[in-house]
Amino acid sequence: DTAVSQTPKYLVTQMGNDKSIKCEQNLGHDTMYWYKQDSKKFLKIMFSYNNKELIINETVPNRFSPKSPDKAHLNLHINSLELGDSAVYFCASSPWGGGRIRTDTQYFGPGTRLTVL
Amino acid sequence: AQKITQTQPGMFVQEKEAVTLDCTYDTSDPSYGLFWYKQPSSGEMIFLIYQGSYDQQNATEGRYSLNFQKARKSANLVISASQLGDSAMYFCAIASSGSARQLTFGSGTQLTVLP
Repeated sequence: DTAVSQTPKYLVTQMGNDKSIKCEQNLGHDTMYWYKQDSKKFLKIMFSYNNKELIINETVPNRFSPKSPDKAHLNLHINSLELGDSAVYFCASSPWGGGRIRTDTQYFGPGTRLTVL
Repeated sequence: AQKITQTQPGMFVQEKEAVTLDCTYDTSDPSYGLFWYKQPSSGEMIFLIYQGSYDQQNATEGRYSLNFQKARKSANLVISASQLGDSAMYFCAIASSGSARQLTFGSGTQLTVLP
């Protein structure tokens, strides 16, 4: 009964290809996030959705497009992959903000290691 | 803008001893929360402990405690009685009370517990 799951765990692909990473949470949370962890382990927010609505859209190339079919799922589609896209991508979820910050603790998926050759 | 600084890229501690991992933050928000996450070599991000800016007491969760000094803008993680399984990367992060609760992370501290 994994709380936040991501598929695939590993993704190896050629430059120029298009790929998707899927994320699902069964915690009943309203908010989901995508983070990127680079080769130096630095984590940075990319996107956030609340109840299928985009609420955070950081400075990310428009080759990256998140899609949320429902509040339990948040997928990340990447077009025209580049070498610099190689990283670990984490999905996370939390209950909706507006309450105490503590209740909005984010729980992370296992990560997807993307390698672009 | 918010910022987290972790000045210790790597730390070593002897098994069964206590260790403190440093974290300083910068934010203009009066209400914020500080989080610590653990990332073992297997790669997952594990939530450890939370401290709210208005919390009167330092947070504790089992062997983890947070030394929160608001005036100094520091939120150091203390791990007592270190175990070999504590060897991991530790990240400090901050979230504000705004409507979008994204986490801003520090660069992390790699902790190695020695037998």
